[in-house]
Amino acid sequence: AQTVTQSQPEMSVQEAETVTLSCTYDTSESDYYLFWYKQPPSRQMILVIRQEAYKQQNATENRFSVNFQKAAKSFSLKISDSQLGDAAMYFCAFLSNNAGNMLTFGGGTRLMVKP
Amino acid sequence: DAEITQSPRHKITETGRQVTLACHQTWNHNNMFWYRQDLGHGLRLIHYSYGVQDTNKGEVSDGYSVSRSNTEDLPLTLESAASSQTSVYFCASSIRGRNEQFFGPGTRLTVL
Repeated sequence: AQTVTQSQPEMSVQEAETVTLSCTYDTSESDYYLFWYKQPPSRQMILVIRQEAYKQQNATENRFSVNFQKAAKSFSLKISDSQLGDAAMYFCAFLSNNAGNMLTFGGGTRLMVKP
Repeated sequence: DAEITQSPRHKITETGRQVTLACHQTWNHNNMFWYRQDLGHGLRLIHYSYGVQDTNKGEVSDGYSVSRSNTEDLPLTLESAASSQTSVYFCASSIRGRNEQFFGPGTRLTVL
């Protein structure tokens, strides 16, 4: 079974600054995907970024990028030029192609953005 | 536009009652999933389906059931609601062979 751990229950960042959210996972699988989801107060789950385990290059989406360390089983999310709208819960999630396309989520990190 | 909807958005019920939460998607996705979200646990998988007449148990399936009679719908039934089932419930769907899941807006269920 896979486990996903987010060790930071809460983080805060000043507007326009950069923040990094941590995520570690445990798996014996080799073919898998990692995701970061954002959940604002509206409760909607929004996909922020995804990373295929077979790709060495770190994924980027505009101000969002990841630091994927496969050997260390680490998958952190960096948010650059933080904006007030980035304030939300962020969830790291794991999916294995051999385990039925099901997502395993971490416990979440609440990000606060200070003006 | 194609979408995934859940109803009701909020529900209050009493212990012991049967409750059904609806999930409907118009993307024609094969895969559908039900998760529950509790503080400190992220989302946990309850049941999932890969197609019509297919259903499978997830991590926290006790006390829940699903049925898949068509591609668009995967209703979640709580046979006899318990206070421990007070939670926010999310439905999600994905295309067979693709791993990105699209989530509904969630249903907040309170069992008194």
